[in-house]
Amino acid sequence: DTEVTQTPKHLVMGMTNKKSLKCEQHMGHRAMYWYKQKAKKPPELMFVYSYEKLSINESVPSRFSPECPNSSLLNLHLHALQPEDSALYLCASSQDGRTGGSPLHFGNGTRLTVT
Amino acid sequence: GESVGLHLPTLSVQEGDNSIINCAYSNSASDYFIWYKQESGKGPQFIIDIRSNMDKRQGQRVTVLLNKTVKHLSLQIAATQPGDSAVYFCAETYYNTDKLIFGTGTRLQVFP
Repeated sequence: DTEVTQTPKHLVMGMTNKKSLKCEQHMGHRAMYWYKQKAKKPPELMFVYSYEKLSINESVPSRFSPECPNSSLLNLHLHALQPEDSALYLCASSQDGRTGGSPLHFGNGTRLTVT
Repeated sequence: GESVGLHLPTLSVQEGDNSIINCAYSNSASDYFIWYKQESGKGPQFIIDIRSNMDKRQGQRVTVLLNKTVKHLSLQIAATQPGDSAVYFCAETYYNTDKLIFGTGTRLQVFP
């Protein structure tokens, strides 16, 4: 079992829905990440929070809105998504805000389908 | 043998043989590298890492080799087992950045 917990495991939503993905870690890590992964492709970085502040936004469309309520929690709010946004959304955490120091630990992801 | 499919390169090996998975990285400034294993339906799982001041690092049944001159990374798995079947990704990052960038991945298939 992974130490990064993501809920829900699966999510089906319509293009007009609003939903949220949740991620939690209790390893005391201070950096948290959202990645998007399409089938047979590598994970692509979306957002990074370091010490609860957004440090990287990889030009992600505004229909994806991240939130870091505290150092253990990370949310991804979804609104007006498109079918091409269907993918596996992965959350990760690392010990400090600089990945050059420590590896990322990943959750098992939320499989999102947009209809 | 190794083949390049439509999406993921695939390496097929017999159980008990050694496997070598290769990765070419893009940024000459990258100074920290990680190998991940991803099984179907799961997130990437950390295997081993290496910093740019090293050429080789060994773990349990795995060895990572780094050649900075040609920007090449490899993962060697000794005595490959059916449980090693998965997609393997290399990832790179550089000093004082939060960005971890993944390579394209290689599917390892182990047959009896």
